[in-house]
Amino acid sequence: DAGVIQSPRHEVTEMGQEVTLRCKPISGHDYLFWYRQTMMRGLELLIYFNNNVPIDDSGMPEDRFSAKMPNASFSTLKIQPSEPRDSAVYFCASSFVPDGEGYTFGSGTRLTVV
Amino acid sequence: AQSVTQPDIHITVSEGASLELRCNYSYGATPYLFWYVQSPGQGLQLLLKYFSGDTLVQGIKGFEAEFKRSQSSFNLRKPSVHWSDAAEYFCAVGSQGNLIFGKGTKLSVKP
Repeated sequence: DAGVIQSPRHEVTEMGQEVTLRCKPISGHDYLFWYRQTMMRGLELLIYFNNNVPIDDSGMPEDRFSAKMPNASFSTLKIQPSEPRDSAVYFCASSFVPDGEGYTFGSGTRLTVV
Repeated sequence: AQSVTQPDIHITVSEGASLELRCNYSYGATPYLFWYVQSPGQGLQLLLKYFSGDTLVQGIKGFEAEFKRSQSSFNLRKPSVHWSDAAEYFCAVGSQGNLIFGKGTKLSVKP
């Protein structure tokens, strides 16, 4: 298996622009997670899905953030409009079970909003 | 509320020396506990996990961790550090559908 695949690896955008991050989980994993990593706040869970259904989005910072999972092999995290404080590394992870086996992480998307 | 504390932000050890990275957690029930490692520019890789049973768990790359319920700790150890172990290490606790991560400990290795 190729693991969890995220794209793009790096994204630089101007404030106010829409940004879309993409994730392909490991085939057969029922759970998909989006995390954000910053120096100040560490790793924060934004949202997670079970069988393509959002289960907990309480970590989504505000309405500018949205996430979808239209099928078992694809998820997006969208920021519209983007702001400089959104600059961070965004990780996608997937697993068979929510917290019993640990997650497989993608390599992340480094987002810079200027 | 559940939480994970890694008290050491940065540790430097000499190659060949032993290593212990500290992790304390706050959780109301028997936790699932994990250690992950993150190399620069990479995602997190699972080192080891504890669910139940033997409190000393073995992981990949020669790492082990010991669960101590009385101290709410899950410290990571390695008897002899290699230069390739330089990375950031994260402790995590499984809680109601997601993992809560500590802030991480950055490990530097001196030649």
